Amino acid sequence: DGGITQSPKYLFRKEGQNVTLSCEQNLNHDAMYWYRQDPGQGLRLIYYSQIVNDFQKGDIAEGYSVSREKKESFPLTVTSAQKNPTAFYLCASSTGQGLIADTQYFGPGTRLTVL
Amino acid sequence: AQSVTQLDSHVSVSEGTPVLLRCNYSSSYSPSLFWYVQHPNKGLQLLLKYTSAATLVKGINGFEAEFKKSETSFHLTKPSAHMSDAAEYFCVVSDQKGSSNTGKLIFGQGTTLQVKP
Repeated sequence: DGGITQSPKYLFRKEGQNVTLSCEQNLNHDAMYWYRQDPGQGLRLIYYSQIVNDFQKGDIAEGYSVSREKKESFPLTVTSAQKNPTAFYLCASSTGQGLIADTQYFGPGTRLTVL
Repeated sequence: AQSVTQLDSHVSVSEGTPVLLRCNYSSSYSPSLFWYVQHPNKGLQLLLKYTSAATLVKGINGFEAEFKKSETSFHLTKPSAHMSDAAEYFCVVSDQKGSSNTGKLIFGQGTTLQVKP
């Protein structure tokens, strides 16, 4: 089955701890994205990567870090510097930018709760 | 800069009646537009996509949307609502720099569709 997997589905963290969210895709997509979703709001872009070993900050990158060492994987680390990390995190991928906007395909999400 | 506005945060319909979810966009060039659906605690699923071909776009599960440039609208419709349609719906526009797509998407705030029996 082709798709995007995110793990874990639920994650609990104590204040002051870093935590890493996993995102893997087997769609052979070049581009990958991380979004944050808060209740009653749309998705906000945290980081994105259009090719291996390269990534760019999105609209709300402060307190987050990413790496893109492999095409299939784009892990997101929520650091202790993120002031309000409790949210639903969604990973997406697409074939890459072009003249016509790509469709982004989404994983099932990880719900992070800071205790 | 591109933007998208979903005009209703919550829409309630009875099962079997038509659905209308409204979306207006702002874009300097011909945008690509999407509608995604999200069921509770799930990822987003693409319903349909407009990319400057036919202005009436048909999607999955009986949904369709019409691109109206003169009104800068991309409203989502369905003739007859099912209980399984209850979900959050997002209107999305492609981010552009000049006439080129950046690869990023800009999301509306979402519309919650409630379907009553």
